[in-house]
This record gives sequence, structure tokens and C-alpha cells, in this order.
Amino acid sequence: DQQVKQNSPSLSVQEGRISILNCDYTNSMFDYFLWYKKYPAEGPTFLISISSIKDKNEDGRFTVFLNKSAKHLSLHIVPSQPGDSAVYFCAASGDGTASKLTFGTGTRLQVTL
Amino acid sequence: DGGITQSPKYLFRKEGQNVTLSCEQNLNHDAMYWYRQDPGQGLRLIYYSQIVNDFQKGDIAEGYSVSREKKESFPLTVTSAQKNPTAFYLCASSLGQLMNTEAFFGQGTRLTVV
Repeated sequence: DQQVKQNSPSLSVQEGRISILNCDYTNSMFDYFLWYKKYPAEGPTFLISISSIKDKNEDGRFTVFLNKSAKHLSLHIVPSQPGDSAVYFCAASGDGTASKLTFGTGTRLQVTL
Repeated sequence: DGGITQSPKYLFRKEGQNVTLSCEQNLNHDAMYWYRQDPGQGLRLIYYSQIVNDFQKGDIAEGYSVSREKKESFPLTVTSAQKNPTAFYLCASSLGQLMNTEAFFGQGTRLTVV
């Protein structure tokens, strides 16, 4: 039972445009959400997070939006850069911490010139 | 430089053998975790430890064992009972029960059973 879903396995965006990566979850107990970026054969690196008491969190080019009623979150990257090309994972936690994260299957973002 | 070190980066094991993956952190984090990644899948939690000398099973603990004798170290043993051990293994750590923090990951160990 996949509690965190990333339904788009891949996404291609032109440099300078906006990248929107989506994530849906089914467990209403999740209250903390994180996005990680991962290159092949490396560990994930943290990008941005959002608590369920917020609906938006911004950090530079990265913004995460949370729609609790729809159980949906999205990561916006603007402007997209070639170095953003990687696999992006969303993850969720049910206790507000980074403990016992449940991950989605990832979306591979390709930023083209 | 603070971080998480996993070793080795690549590991080959014969069927029927146990193998231990190393994970060390110098971030002074209380909590440590082991995840497994298979192709086309997300990361799945194997074991986690919130404090020294204590650990709990994650979602896919069967065929694995861990120990947490020191705060800095959380080795994972893949036993012969693990039916499909070939995977990419990731160790992580965090500030435990502190709210709204992130988990930091090591560079991973790719285990191949030959």
C-alpha cells in the first residue's frame, strides 16, 4: 500500500521555466513533509520541508505548497537550472519529525537547455 | 566536516553469507536509520534507532539486524535470511524527536549478491 505517491515518474522542463513536481498521500496522520533531491549512486540531499500547519514554504528558488484537504503537495522550482536535473523524492512523517519517513517513488526531472 | 560516512561504497556477497554495512556519523545526532532503495522504488525503512542501545524494526526488517552500541555508529547486517538483498542501502541520521528537522543521508552502499 503506497501511502505516498508520485505519479509522474519523469518530467522534462526547459531551462528558465518552472518545474512542478507533485506528490499525493493517503495517510491523514502525516503532518510533516519533506522534499529530497537525489543523484544516481548518491544519498538524497534535503531541499525543503513543510509542516501541516502551513500551506506554503519558500526557500530561494524552491517553494512547497501543501493542500491538506486534497492530501496533495507540490514542489515548484523557478527558474529551473540544468543542475536541478535529478530524482526528486517527497517524504512524509506522522509525528512532525524526520523519524520514520515514508517516501514516494520519485520523479526524475530533466532540465534541458 | 560533519556528516555521515557509509562504507564500503560497493559490496559483493555470495549467497548464504552475512555481510555488515558500516554507518558512522559525527553530527551528534541521536537518531539513526537504515533505508533500502530498489530500482523504480522509493526508500523503505529497515531499522531505526532513537537512542543508544535501543532500536526498532521498520517496514522491511526481516532478514536484517542492527546494533547501536555507540551514538556515532549504526551498523546493518544483511543476513542470509534476507531473500532479495541486492539493493542500494542508505543510512541516515536526524536530531530525533526535534520537530521540523530533516534527516541527513550518507552516500549509500550498493550491495550485490553474486
